Amino acid sequence: SQELEQSPQSLIVQEGKNLTINCTSSKTLYGLYWYKQKYGEGLIFLMMLQKGGEEKSHEKITAKLDEKKQQSSLHITASQPSHAGIYLCGADNTGTASKLTFGTGTRLQVTL
Amino acid sequence: DAGITQSPRHKVTETGTPVTLRCHQTENHRYMYWYRQDPGHGLRLIHYSYGVKDTDKGEVSDGYSVSRSKTEDFLLTLESATSSQTSVYFCAINSGLAGTDTQYFGPGTRLTVL
Repeated sequence: SQELEQSPQSLIVQEGKNLTINCTSSKTLYGLYWYKQKYGEGLIFLMMLQKGGEEKSHEKITAKLDEKKQQSSLHITASQPSHAGIYLCGADNTGTASKLTFGTGTRLQVTL
Repeated sequence: DAGITQSPRHKVTETGTPVTLRCHQTENHRYMYWYRQDPGHGLRLIHYSYGVKDTDKGEVSDGYSVSRSKTEDFLLTLESATSSQTSVYFCAINSGLAGTDTQYFGPGTRLTVL
């Protein structure tokens, strides 16, 4: 089984709808990083969460870290076509942040 | 823009030939990484470097070697390319400074081994 599980693997939502992507680690989480990737391009850093219960927001994207559950969620409010892409989470399981383990990604499509 | 470039951006080569991919950064970050991205596997770490001439293996290092003779350049070499090494390769950097420990990624190199 994967050390870092993302769900769902893919998601199709109508423009304007809310959605949530989850990332669960089988190991202790010292930090969790969210990235977005457009097809054929590199990864764009979105947010980093380091403390249990931490919540960060950027525009319409909010990410939370539940340290006890070793889980993070990424919530998009009122989705737009510009939100489409692949969302990846990266876990710091060592406490040093120098090495990350990545999930397989969630592919998001936003329909008009 | 984290000042990371990768070259080449696309390459097609034949099985058995050596291939070298280059990652170049302009901001003197301490850590540099090479990942490969494949469908169903996500991003997997090949090798990383924590300083000039200091490198270590990642989870999928077999068949790959790296070198870092200057802070700004991290080279990934496939000594004898195989079809299983067809992939998209990403370089990343990290300042390694507490509070700003974040990996930033380059644009990727698409490698096809025929």
